[in-house]
Amino acid sequence: RKEVEQDPGPFNVPEGATVAFNCTYSNSASQSFFWYRQDCRKEPKLLMSVYSSGNEDGRFTAQLNRASQYISLLIRDSKLSDSATYLCVVLNAGNMLTFGGGTRLMVKP
Amino acid sequence: EAQVTQNPRYLITVTGKKLTVTCSQNMNHEYMSWYRQDPGLGLRQIYYSMNVEVTDKGDVPEGYKVSRKEKRNFPLILESPSPNQTSLYFCASSSPAREQYFGPGTRLTVT
Repeated sequence: RKEVEQDPGPFNVPEGATVAFNCTYSNSASQSFFWYRQDCRKEPKLLMSVYSSGNEDGRFTAQLNRASQYISLLIRDSKLSDSATYLCVVLNAGNMLTFGGGTRLMVKP
Repeated sequence: EAQVTQNPRYLITVTGKKLTVTCSQNMNHEYMSWYRQDPGLGLRQIYYSMNVEVTDKGDVPEGYKVSRKEKRNFPLILESPSPNQTSLYFCASSSPAREQYFGPGTRLTVT
């Protein structure tokens, strides 16, 4: 079993749609959680950190469920510019980041 | 501007010809790391460094070396590159237990 698992997609959605991505992780001692966005052939960039209480940044909402070892990202009112690959990232002891394989989102006009 | 820089951005080389990819950060981060990204395999860590003169192997260290003589620099060395090291390489840095900032990537082709 992979340490961080994501549905690779692609998720094809129309502009304005709401889309949700899920991610599961296997290490119950994982300390911190992030969503990164990666555009084709570019570097990953931090989208948002994920807190136990859940957090929202504009159209983006992240949730963490430690009991189920599950992280989610919700994007409301999708824009064409949201098209990218979304990486679920888990920080373990020793500052070790483990990346999920990424979920590809394509927002169509 | 806070950033991580890598050079070169693109490199085509031949098997066995030693090369170095430089990485530099201006954020005074203790932690630096190298990753490679390949289709279908995602991002995999090659080496990381918790601080100056402290380096350790990641998931795929074979065929690579690193050094951390200064806090800001973390070069990746391929002593004898092989075609299976053709990949997209990213350097990253962070403060402890914080999000990592990535460089723009180096696309390496080994023929």
